[in-house]
Order: sequence, then structure tokens, then C-alpha cells
Amino acid sequence: DSGVTQTPKHLITATGQRVTLRCSPRSGDLSVYWYQQSLDQGLQFLIQYYNGEERAKGNILERFSAQQFPDLHSELNLSSLELGDSALYFCASSDEWADTQYFGPGTRLTVL
Amino acid sequence: TQLLEQSPQFLSIQEGENLTVYCNSSSVFSSLQWYRQEPGEGPVLLVTVVTGGEVKKLKRLTFQFGDARKDSSLHITAAQPGDTGLYLCAGKGTDTGNQFYFGTGTSLTVIP
Repeated sequence: DSGVTQTPKHLITATGQRVTLRCSPRSGDLSVYWYQQSLDQGLQFLIQYYNGEERAKGNILERFSAQQFPDLHSELNLSSLELGDSALYFCASSDEWADTQYFGPGTRLTVL
Repeated sequence: TQLLEQSPQFLSIQEGENLTVYCNSSSVFSSLQWYRQEPGEGPVLLVTVVTGGEVKKLKRLTFQFGDARKDSSLHITAAQPGDTGLYLCAGKGTDTGNQFYFGTGTSLTVIP
């Protein structure tokens, strides 16, 4: 158990809908990272937050947004969903100066 | 962007054989991590190496960080079916934001 939690575990929805994925980092970690992993693809970095502020942006679509709240949990919002958005979405957390990030169990999103 | 290339992409070996996975880049990283991921689950940290030239051993797994901190290798001795999985390397960038860059992954299958 990495200490990072993600909910829900599975999510099935229809095209055009909007969903919210939730992540709670390890106790004491201020940084949260979001990744997307599609079938047969590696981990694609989406966005990073540190202590409530956006720190770095990767290949995140304009239809996607994220935020980190004062209690340090983070949410990833996916809107106008398309079939191609079906993937595993992972959250990871780390301390500001740590050399390691720890991953949650992921949310499997299926868009029908 | 700091890219990491892993080789081989796929590896299928018999139980008891040895193998080496490589993680290469033209960029310098402040640290490098190796993860193992099983289908549908989050990556699990195996090791973090920080110092150029560093070698770490975990039972049958040996990890090495290149002297110039641009590459790394993972060597598994006497592979077992339980070693089957996707192996990912990740480097912590030297740019602002402490972003982590992931390799393309090596899918290992150990046949009993």
C-alpha cells in the first residue's frame, strides 16, 4: 500500500459526459501528479500541483482540468468525454524535495 | 522535455534465465527510479538511485545509475514467473517543478 488513495476504482460513462476523479496523497506529501495510461501506451504526464498551485503541465487536453484543495487532495475533471479518453488514470504524490513519487491504484475510465 | 528510452520493449524468457533492461537518455537526471506495474494496477516502486555510478541490489535485482546520470540498467538474475510485469524507469528532471519523466516501458514475461 503506497498510501495514495484514488476513487472511484472504476467509472463507466457515455460520450459527452463529465466525470471527476479524486486523489488523496500520502500524509505529508505536498505534490500531486496526474498521469494517463491508455492501452499499449506508457504513462503520459498530465499535470502537477504543489501545495495548491499548478507546478507543471504535460499533455493535458483543454477538456481536462485539475485542482488541489487546501487539504491537499486533488481532483481531475474530464469533460466532453470521447471514446479515446478511455484509459487508466493514476495519481502520484511526492514530497517537495523527494526523489521518488508514489502511485495510487488508479481509476479505470470507460467511455461508451 | 527529457526523454527516456527503454530497451528492449518486450522480453520473453524462460524461468531461471538472466536479463538486463536498459533505460537511456541524452539528458541528465537528478535521480532515477524503477517501477514494476501489473495489469490494471498502479506502478510499484522498486528502487531509487541518486548518485552517478551507484549500484543497488535487492535480492535478485541489481540496479545501476550511469556515471553521467543519463542512463540506468536493471539486471535480474534467475528470473521467476513472479517477475512478470511492465518495468518502467523514471527520471527526476533538473528543470523547474521537479517533474518526473517516464520511460517507454519493458514488458517482461517469464515462462515457467
